[in-house]
Amino acid sequence: KAGVTQTPRYLIKTRGQQVTLSCSPISGHRSVSWYQQTPGQGLQFLFEYFSETQRNKGNFPGRFSGRQFSNSRSEMNVSTLELGDSALYLCASSFRTGSLYEQYFGPGTRLTVT
Amino acid sequence: TQLLEQSPQFLSIQEGENLTVYCNSSSVFSSLQWYRQEPGEGPVLLVTVVTGGEVKKLKRLTFQFGDARKDSSLHITAAQPGDTGLYLCAGVSGNTGKLIFGQGTTLQVKP
Repeated sequence: KAGVTQTPRYLIKTRGQQVTLSCSPISGHRSVSWYQQTPGQGLQFLFEYFSETQRNKGNFPGRFSGRQFSNSRSEMNVSTLELGDSALYLCASSFRTGSLYEQYFGPGTRLTVT
Repeated sequence: TQLLEQSPQFLSIQEGENLTVYCNSSSVFSSLQWYRQEPGEGPVLLVTVVTGGEVKKLKRLTFQFGDARKDSSLHITAAQPGDTGLYLCAGVSGNTGKLIFGQGTTLQVKP
């Protein structure tokens, strides 16, 4: 099975611009979660989508949004970029079997805001 | 708010030494996962522990889940330079898809 893919891998944007990141989950996985990783804050949960619906949301401002398509692919959008949005954005797809719940991460998109 | 405290944050050891990384919380998790991440890449799932008191071994790595399902440890025997990386523990919160991550332990194994 192919793993989680994220595009693009690297991105440089200017303050005030917006950006869209894409994630394709492992085939058969219906849940996609997004995380922001920075050296200071570590890995922080952004949101989770399941069957095209946002199921969970972290503590991020409304500038961060996402969506999921019928094929389970997901996109994340950040509007009005700020310097502090520079981070590694990680997507994870997951499946649940009984009490076992596991997430598999993509390689991430490195976003630099200048 | 559920938090996971990981210790130590940094560890630099010589090849062949043993080490233990701890992951502690005041909250109960339905399961706990350990990941290893290399620079510029996403975390790679190493193991999931589900049952309180569970011990899992993966070659030289031993993972343990506390009896109360609030804490976990990762023990590496005879560390090798290839073990270098960021080790992350993550607790699964109930039935949600939300993983609560520890801050991570950066391990450097010198040859």
